Amino acid sequence: QPVLTQSSSASASLGSSVKLTCTLSSGHSNHIIAWHQQQPGKAPRYLMKLEGSGSYNKGSGVPDRFSGSSSGADRYLIISNLQSEDEADYYCETWDSNSRVFGGGTKLTVL
Amino acid sequence: EVQLVESGGGLVQPGGSLRLSCAASGFTFSSYAMSWVRQAPGNGLEWVSTISGSGGNSYYADSVRGRFTISRDNSKNTLYLHMNSLRAEDTAVYLCAEVVAAAGMVYWGQGTLVTVSS
Repeated sequence: QPVLTQSSSASASLGSSVKLTCTLSSGHSNHIIAWHQQQPGKAPRYLMKLEGSGSYNKGSGVPDRFSGSSSGADRYLIISNLQSEDEADYYCETWDSNSRVFGGGTKLTVL
Repeated sequence: EVQLVESGGGLVQPGGSLRLSCAASGFTFSSYAMSWVRQAPGNGLEWVSTISGSGGNSYYADSVRGRFTISRDNSKNTLYLHMNSLRAEDTAVYLCAEVVAAAGMVYWGQGTLVTVSS
């Protein structure tokens, strides 16, 4: 089954852009993933699905500032024009025929 | 509007049992797989179990297989998680989520806290 690897933390300045990475394990580089945001004290929120081609589909109400891209086994979440409310934990998710898995999450700090 | 509301959490002794519920509304419940995910205090998200829309297929994480059972009642739009032989390491907020095929867990509930302690 696939394994997802994320950096534990990232930081960027208010108004700037940041690129978060989720890396699929060997043999799973074509997997679709999903990105989720979890603000402090809240439930996770679905952001988008992201394919190996780089094509992505965002969830309802997700701001245009959020986008995705892919390169090989890497899946990226790009947040532009960072806002204070973007300070959150970000998780990637993937699945196979009989299991699902999350990455360890990246804690994003907005400076 | 999709709504998922979990209930049934609480304090239980090690070795005890608990049943969680997730009441769903705002979508055709029987058309979607549903999952349980948990989050231990200060930790990340951990997938627990998934059940198909019909209820005919279910899948479990190794950490809970043989102790937890997922089920659903499509006539009541409700998802369940039956938890037996609970351990301290099962302490977590348990969240239910609607699974959209090839898209991931698109809608989430707010979660219910399970504390396993003597």
